Amino acid sequence: GNSVTQMEGPVTLSEEAFLTINCTYTATGYPSLFWYVQYPGEGLQLLLKATKADDKGSNKGFEATYRKETTSFHLEKGSVQVSDSAVYFCALSDLSGGSNYKLTFGKGTLLTVNP
Amino acid sequence: DADVTQTPRNRITKTGKRIMLECSQTKGHDRMYWYRQDPGLGLRLIYYSFDVKDINKGEISDGYSVSRQAQAKFSLSLESAIPNQTALYFCATSETGGWDEQYFGPGTRLTVT
Repeated sequence: GNSVTQMEGPVTLSEEAFLTINCTYTATGYPSLFWYVQYPGEGLQLLLKATKADDKGSNKGFEATYRKETTSFHLEKGSVQVSDSAVYFCALSDLSGGSNYKLTFGKGTLLTVNP
Repeated sequence: DADVTQTPRNRITKTGKRIMLECSQTKGHDRMYWYRQDPGLGLRLIYYSFDVKDINKGEISDGYSVSRQAQAKFSLSLESAIPNQTALYFCATSETGGWDEQYFGPGTRLTVT
């Protein structure tokens, strides 16, 4: 079956530090990959996505590249801000095998950015 | 106004009680979902609905039921609440399949004592 493994947190950084949150996946077909972000007290919202190998998703200074050879979709940001403090979820949607209705989520990584 | 709203936002109930969580969306989407979030476990799908007449079980449907009253409304019920149903519950909606962006509500924090 499908699964997503992301680095466990919590991750604590100082403002302007470089961020990487690792995400690897297992899928039976050809997944689309997503990063969702959950700010304190809110629901999840889409941060970025990539639908095929070598695609790069980007938004708000965050980037992630769909690497089929390493089955990875690592999230990066060059300079984090206090406002980036949130929980980040990697997720996939597999378009084959009849499971294209759902997202499979990783467990989430809590990021705290200190001033 | 928010695209996806959930009521109540917080609820404390006792073991054995029946409780309903409600979700409304103004996106005009056909697909709606209920998830629960537990610390360290990510989000797990409880039920999903492709349209008013099409409702399906997700990964963890035992102990839950749903009702799709209209395109815009999807309710989750706990027939007889138990403490391990204490969690954060999210409703979401999407236009098409899982590869499409899902729009989440703000969540309902449910505590079963």
